Amino acid sequence: GAVVSQHPSRVICKSGTSVKIECRSLDFQATTMFWYRQFPKKSLMLMATSNEGSKATYEQGVEKDKFLINHASLTLSTLTVTSAHPEDSSFYICSAPRRTGTGFHIQYFGAGTRLSVL
Amino acid sequence: AQTVTQSQPEMSVQEAETVTLSCTYDTSESDYYLFWYKQPPSRQMILVIRQEAYKQQNATENRFSVNFQKAAKSFSLKISDSQLGDAAMYFCAYRSGGGGSNYKLTFGKGTLLTVNP
Repeated sequence: GAVVSQHPSRVICKSGTSVKIECRSLDFQATTMFWYRQFPKKSLMLMATSNEGSKATYEQGVEKDKFLINHASLTLSTLTVTSAHPEDSSFYICSAPRRTGTGFHIQYFGAGTRLSVL
Repeated sequence: AQTVTQSQPEMSVQEAETVTLSCTYDTSESDYYLFWYKQPPSRQMILVIRQEAYKQQNATENRFSVNFQKAAKSFSLKISDSQLGDAAMYFCAYRSGGGGSNYKLTFGKGTLLTVNP
């Protein structure tokens, strides 16, 4: 079953509105989660690192005021796209590292959110 | 900064045959990990295989194996006995050693694999 849950899977919104995307680790705690953006037929680009209880770390070129990240608990990180515009339309994917029995951490990914801004 | 390069945008293979996907990377770090992820049409990212840089032995997971050449910074994926369900986009990914924010992945551009019946 899913290890990381991402909701919603698809959202269509009007230009100028805000959209919130949730990422939950289902049976483990994650002090760090990651948000990626993927354009059609392109690779995943890291947007930001979500840190539980502290500010997110944004990659160069990513507007922190546009993409608000909140990691208020050990199992939930949210990405809010504020004042969305058509150019924000994309596929957004979250991930969380889960510790395996050998101590290694494997990244598990949510199923992604397709955002369409009209 | 680390970079990951996949030079094959698309590959195709006949069902039951073997195919190799290429990946090279650039890093100055000595402690790191390499991964192959699969993204089928559902777009759910699935871990295929991983390799620790400190291990000389190539990783193997059933029909999937890697050829890790550390000096050449090469990390290719071999899929044996290809199945229709293997059709997907395959991403090579790099991760630094350590924890926390180091768990973030740097991805290559991907290789779209088609499996022909």
